[in-house]
Amino acid sequence: AQSVTQLDSQVPVFEEAPVELRCNYSSSVSVYLFWYVQYPNQGLQLLLKYLSGSTLVKGINGFEAEFNKSQTSFHLRKPSVLISDTAEYFCAVSEVRGTALIFGKGTTLSVSS
Amino acid sequence: DAMVIQNPRYQVTQFGKPVTLSCSQTLNHNVMYWYQQKSSQAPKLLFHYYDKDFNNEADTPDNFQSRRPNTSFCFLDIRSPGLGDAAMYLCATSRDGQPQHFGDGTRLSIL
Repeated sequence: AQSVTQLDSQVPVFEEAPVELRCNYSSSVSVYLFWYVQYPNQGLQLLLKYLSGSTLVKGINGFEAEFNKSQTSFHLRKPSVLISDTAEYFCAVSEVRGTALIFGKGTTLSVSS
Repeated sequence: DAMVIQNPRYQVTQFGKPVTLSCSQTLNHNVMYWYQQKSSQAPKLLFHYYDKDFNNEADTPDNFQSRRPNTSFCFLDIRSPGLGDAAMYLCATSRDGQPQHFGDGTRLSIL
């Protein structure tokens, strides 16, 4: 069975500061990895995905993530955050060719001026 | 341009009164999902359709049912809503092995 652990439930940062949201997963099979963002009262929007290939994945809104197989991690980073990045961020995993997404509990990113 | 559309965005129902939430998609994806998301929690998969095949999660209460009359539409029926069923309900779609696309959700309140 797969599981996802998001190591920080809340991350407060100042505008223009760098940020890293941490995600670790466990699985006995090959997986796909995803980061989704959720703004208040909205659905989830895909930020980026790792399916195969380069371990450094670039997504929308200036975010990127690095897949580290040996550490079973998929941390999300942005070099300079905006106020508008304030949202809930979910890391998720699915089996290769599988259908079900397993989500972490989410990290609330709060960006202040 | 909305690709996964959920109606209504907000639904209020009475304790025990059946309610139906709807989801439609213009992506022609073969898989459709229903998630329940309670406040400050991760989405929890209730069930999904792989084409016409219904797949229920083991811990989804019997109170929750689903219908998929065609590729584009999927419904979530809650037969007798209880106070604990108040949540955001998210519909998502995907094609084999591809990322899921989510609708904006329906927020269900129980009086």
